[in-house]
Amino acid sequence: AQTVTQSQPEMSVQEAETVTLSCTYDTSENNYYLFWYKQPPSRQMILVIRQEAYKQQNATENRFSVNFQKAAKSFSLKISDSQLGDTAMYFCAFKAGGTSYGKLTFGQGTILTVHP
Amino acid sequence: SQTIHQWPATLVQPVGSPLSLECTVEGTSNPNLYWYRQAAGRGLQLLFYSIGIDQISSEVPQNLSASRPQDRQFILSSKKLLLSDSGFYLCACNTGLEQFFGPGTRLTVL
Repeated sequence: AQTVTQSQPEMSVQEAETVTLSCTYDTSENNYYLFWYKQPPSRQMILVIRQEAYKQQNATENRFSVNFQKAAKSFSLKISDSQLGDTAMYFCAFKAGGTSYGKLTFGQGTILTVHP
Repeated sequence: SQTIHQWPATLVQPVGSPLSLECTVEGTSNPNLYWYRQAAGRGLQLLFYSIGIDQISSEVPQNLSASRPQDRQFILSSKKLLLSDSGFYLCACNTGLEQFFGPGTRLTVL
């Protein structure tokens, strides 16, 4: 079974600054995928970024990028030029490849507050 | 792209009453479907998943059940609600490598 750990229950950052959210996971799988989801106050889950484990290059989506350290089983999210609209709960999630039926295992989340 | 509908958006039910939450998906066929519960605004717990009509797998023992009578319809039910069933319920579907979520149902059991 997989576990996902987010050790930062809450984080805060000033607008336009950079913040990094941490995530570690434990698995015996070699083929898997990692995700960061954002849940704003509306509670709609929004996919932020995806990383395939077989790819060495870190994924990037505009102001969002990841630092994927496969050997360390670490998957952190960096948000650059933080905006007020980035205020949300952020979840790290793991999905095994193969016949896992696409099931996701989530961390407990990090509440991020962006201050003006 | 797919769209996921859930209803109702909010529900307040007394302990011991039945429950039926519905999820429908548009824009995709033969999706894998999932029910998650989020308690107290924290992590999501997978309750059920389905890879096809009438094919349901339960991830945790509980007071709830799920059914999939049609390809793009997924229903979460209970015969008698418990206080501990309160939470935010999310339906999701897989599209390729990614999983997308519906808007959720907030259930309060009193």
